[in-house]
Amino acid sequence: DGGITQSPKYLFRKEGQNVTLSCEQNLNHDAMYWYRQDPGQGLRLIYYSQIVNDFQKGDIAEGYSVSREKKESFPLTVTSAQKNPTAFYLCASDGTGGEQYFGPGTRLTVT
Amino acid sequence: GNSVTQMEGPVTLSEEAFLTINCTYTATGYPSLFWYVQYPGEGLQLLLKATKADDKGSNKGFEATYRKETTSFHLEKGSVQVSDSAVYFCALRGGVNFNKFYFGSGTKLNVKP
Repeated sequence: DGGITQSPKYLFRKEGQNVTLSCEQNLNHDAMYWYRQDPGQGLRLIYYSQIVNDFQKGDIAEGYSVSREKKESFPLTVTSAQKNPTAFYLCASDGTGGEQYFGPGTRLTVT
Repeated sequence: GNSVTQMEGPVTLSEEAFLTINCTYTATGYPSLFWYVQYPGEGLQLLLKATKADDKGSNKGFEATYRKETTSFHLEKGSVQVSDSAVYFCALRGGVNFNKFYFGSGTKLNVKP
C-alpha cells in the first residue's frame, strides 16, 4: 500500500540533544512538508521541499533543519536550539489534486 | 494574506444529530478548500475538497459547499455517529503562495451515544 511512514511514533530525548525524525513516502510525490502541532492548536509549517536537494523555510523554521537527498525521504532534525521542542510532528506530501497526504505523526517529548 | 477561521469547539452532539461546523476564509484569487479529520494520536486524513466556487465536496456522509459570495465552506452531516468523534480542520490552498496550506485551528467534535 502506498503511503507516508513516520518513525518512531513516540520519541523521548533529554534537553540539549539533537534528534532526527524520519519521514518516508512511496507515493512518488515531489513535494514534502513538515508541520508542528501543539495541543489544541492547528498546524504550523516548519519546512517544505518541492524537489530533491531543495527546501524552503516555513513559518517556524528556527531550531530545525532538514535534508532532501532522495525523493522518498525528508528527515527533520530538531536541534538543541529549538526552545520548546515537545510537540506532535507531522510529515505530509502533495497529491496530484492539490491535496496533502499526512503520515501518522511522531510525538516528541524533551525533558 | 490567506487565513481560515473555524468555529471554536468542542461541539458536543448526541448520536444521529445534525452537524454543522462553520468555516470561513480570506484569500486572494480562487483557492481550493479542504476538510481534514484527525483521530486521537493520528495524522490528518483528507475528508473532502472543493476546487471552485459552488462545488460540493462529499465523503462518508459529510458535505461542504464552496461559497465564494460568503467566503465559506461549512461542514455538514445529517446524522452523526459516535465514530465521528474527532478533530476537524478546515484548510485552503491557493493565492500568491500555492505551496502553502492554511489550516484553521480545528474543531473538536464529541458525539455521545
